[in-house]
Amino acid sequence: QLQLQESGPGLVKPSETLSLTCTVSGDSISSSSYYWGWIRQPPGKGLEWIGTIYYSGSTYYNPSLKSRVTISVDTSKNQFSLKLSSVTAADTAVYYCAKLWELYYYMDVWGKGTTVTVSS
Amino acid sequence: SYELTQPLSVSVALGQTARITCGGNNIGSKNVHWYQQKPGQAPVLVIYRDTNRPSGIPERFSGSNSGNTATLTIRRAQAGDEADYYCQVWDSNTGVFGTGTKVTVL
Repeated sequence: QLQLQESGPGLVKPSETLSLTCTVSGDSISSSSYYWGWIRQPPGKGLEWIGTIYYSGSTYYNPSLKSRVTISVDTSKNQFSLKLSSVTAADTAVYYCAKLWELYYYMDVWGKGTTVTVSS
Repeated sequence: SYELTQPLSVSVALGQTARITCGGNNIGSKNVHWYQQKPGQAPVLVIYRDTNRPSGIPERFSGSNSGNTATLTIRRAQAGDEADYYCQVWDSNTGVFGTGTKVTVL
């Protein structure tokens, strides 16, 4: 059974770079049927799509975050990662990683989420 | 950018039917997916590709999509169905979530 686990610092200073990793267990990140994604949810607000990556490294980013986001994949470790630069308090959120099905891009497996607070 | 609009809240009496709408320009031409999120938990997929239920999701949950509106229907509502619900589509190489609807079971 595929599982996802987010990891990374829970506190990031303003203007610095937020870095998170999602570890995939129970299946290969290199499966041709899956994409992998990051979604976030600010406190008390709705879900926001950050970006998506295929095992080959091809990426899709939310246009509103594209200038600050980098998503990468490490197939040897069965992990994919998120970097968000120049963070502000508005980037404070619960960050989720998820598995997506190709062609239709829906998420059937989610990590539990990790809270990241941006504060000095 | 593509936008999805949902009602802020929907109330339903215990055992009755709740309908949650998701409005978007010509959404009927897209694949719509629905997620349930309870407080402090990650979202859970309840409907994918308009009408399909993942394994483990009760038959009480169903979906439809036509024209400019997609709808998630919850029949015989239970207290455990109280949650936030989000619709989602893929547009212009990015995911788009609806604004979210809080369902209250009375």
